[in-house]
Amino acid sequence: EAGVAQSPRYKIIEKRQSVAFWCNPISGHATLYWYQQILGQGPKLLIQFQNNGVVDDSQLPKDRFSAERLKGVDSTLKIQPAKLEDSAVYLCASSWTGGQGNEKLFFGSGTQLSVL
Amino acid sequence: GENVEQHPSTLSVQEGDSAVIKCTYSDSASNYFPWYKQELGKGPQLIIDIRSNVGEKKDQRIAVTLNKTAKHFSLHITETQPEDSAVYFCAASRRSNYQLIWGAGTKLIIKP
Repeated sequence: EAGVAQSPRYKIIEKRQSVAFWCNPISGHATLYWYQQILGQGPKLLIQFQNNGVVDDSQLPKDRFSAERLKGVDSTLKIQPAKLEDSAVYLCASSWTGGQGNEKLFFGSGTQLSVL
Repeated sequence: GENVEQHPSTLSVQEGDSAVIKCTYSDSASNYFPWYKQELGKGPQLIIDIRSNVGEKKDQRIAVTLNKTAKHFSLHITETQPEDSAVYFCAASRRSNYQLIWGAGTKLIIKP
């Protein structure tokens, strides 16, 4: 089966610019996650969607980060304006049962963002 | 708040030897403990998981043990091979909302 697709793979921007990341989860997966992974650290959950509704966005810096999941399939994560500390890998993951239990997460390869 | 500590941060072992990575969690209500492997340039991939009603689980060369009393769990890899070189993350799931709390990762290096 096709995996989680993410684009772009790399992005370099200057601080205060805006950037957007795209994710296409595995077909049929109800839950979609965006994680931020800073070098040398574990993934940090930014936002979790179940279908097209937000389940958890408690760690999303809402003054600059936004995310949407149109029609419960693809998702876009946006940063505007970017700060130096946003430099990280942004990982998208999806899972099958709609977040109703502990289950396997399938990750994409991520987008590596560098803010200069 | 809830926390997962992982040790060591780097582990170097000779090919063919065993490797052990340990994690400690703070939330006694945690009930699900997955281990993910992350290779360079890729996203994490689940390699094994264990639930709180089980003390040990094995899958070929990989095993995980859980001590609920001490609130720690460990990953054991036997007969290590070069392809085992990667960063390994442990995590613990909150019972209330199933959100994963991740450890900081262990970089495993297999020496030829």
